[in-house]
Amino acid sequence: AQSVTQLGSHVSVSEGALVLLRCNYSSSVPPYLFWYVQYPNQGLQLLLKYTTGATLVKGINGFEAEFKKSETSFHLTKPSAHMSDAAEYFCAVSEAGGYNKLIFGAGTRLAVHP
Amino acid sequence: DAGVTQSPTHLIKTRGQQVTLRCSPKSGHDTVSWYQQALGQGPQFIFQYYEEEERQRGNFPDRFSGHQFPNYSSELNVNALLLGDSALYLCASSLLTGVNTGELFFGEGSRLTVL
Repeated sequence: AQSVTQLGSHVSVSEGALVLLRCNYSSSVPPYLFWYVQYPNQGLQLLLKYTTGATLVKGINGFEAEFKKSETSFHLTKPSAHMSDAAEYFCAVSEAGGYNKLIFGAGTRLAVHP
Repeated sequence: DAGVTQSPTHLIKTRGQQVTLRCSPKSGHDTVSWYQQALGQGPQFIFQYYEEEERQRGNFPDRFSGHQFPNYSSELNVNALLLGDSALYLCASSLLTGVNTGELFFGEGSRLTVL
């Protein structure tokens, strides 16, 4: 069975500081990995994804993540936080191939302070 | 081009009642997935519909049922509501080929409160 663990339910950074949101996954088959963002009272929006190929993937709004198979991790980073980055971030995993569902982590709420 | 639309946005029910939530997928999409997001939790997969059939189901009881119509829109029905059913219910649309490659488009959800 697949699972996702997001370390830290709340992360607080200063504007301009590095953002690091941690995600570890468990999967017995090659995974597809995703980060979604949820702003208040909105649905989820895909930030970036890893399916195959390059392990460092870039997404929208300056975010990027690196798939590290040996560490079963897919941490999300952004060099410089903006106030507008404050939101809930979800890491998700699915099985490569087929039409399988996404399994989401519990989420990390990012607060950005001036 | 309208995205994924869900209705109602908010509703309040009492224990034992039944509820129907509706979803219109993004234009061109043929697959609808439903997720339950309890407060402070990540979305949990309920089921997925394609070609008017339930293709996959998560770990939810039979009180949760659904339907997909020929125009690809979908309904989620929950019978015999429990307090624990209080959550944000999210509909996600995609092409079938985009289901597990993250190409899901989410609606803003229907927030259900069970008293």
